[in-house]
Amino acid sequence: DTAVSQTPKYLVTQMGNDKSIKCEQNLGHDTMYWYKQDSKKFLKIMFSYNNKELIINETVPNRFSPKSPDKAHLNLHINSLELGDSAVYFCASSQGPLAGDRTDTQYFGPGTRLTVL
Amino acid sequence: AQKVTQAQTEISVVEKEDVTLDCVYETRDTTYYLFWYKQPPSGELVFLIRRNSFDEQNEISGRYSWNFQKSTSSFNFTITASQVVDSAVYFCALSEAILTGGGNKLTFGTGTQLKVEL
Repeated sequence: DTAVSQTPKYLVTQMGNDKSIKCEQNLGHDTMYWYKQDSKKFLKIMFSYNNKELIINETVPNRFSPKSPDKAHLNLHINSLELGDSAVYFCASSQGPLAGDRTDTQYFGPGTRLTVL
Repeated sequence: AQKVTQAQTEISVVEKEDVTLDCVYETRDTTYYLFWYKQPPSGELVFLIRRNSFDEQNEISGRYSWNFQKSTSSFNFTITASQVVDSAVYFCALSEAILTGGGNKLTFGTGTQLKVEL
């Protein structure tokens, strides 16, 4: 059984389009995250949600809008796609029930490779 | 601000050699957690280990071992008798607590590409 899944795995689109990436976890975790991995493999957190509530928003352009319909899902919608949005986007989840918990281990999905032409 | 440095961008070894991947971190927290993740060519990120700052005992798991030294702010990862399947990018990460809301925040190093050749 896949613990953290993302769809689609590959996404190729034109500049200016709007696209969504879906993420689901079946681990029963309370916290979910979106990370961006750029062409140099650098990983940076974008957002985190705890039980459907936005916790972290790391100076991401407001063209990016996460949505969490329930604690098992965290989708990422991107408006007006730009060339610089091309990257691999990873969803992750962790148990995360407690504030101030550094111990939380994050488990990552397989990634979605977004290419903007 | 937290920082993780993986100075080795790329390492190439021949199969069966031992290899050590370096990780140096900076934090003002007195309690913190360190992680290693593996990213094989297929692209997924695989959790390998979590270590807390008050436990400096070395950890061994099969061919993998980790050496945590608080005095030098390092958390190095050694693969013994490397195999071609170990070829991957390895990331070290430092956890920062989020004081409101659950979960935490990982700061990643830039990764070390390990190539194991026959």
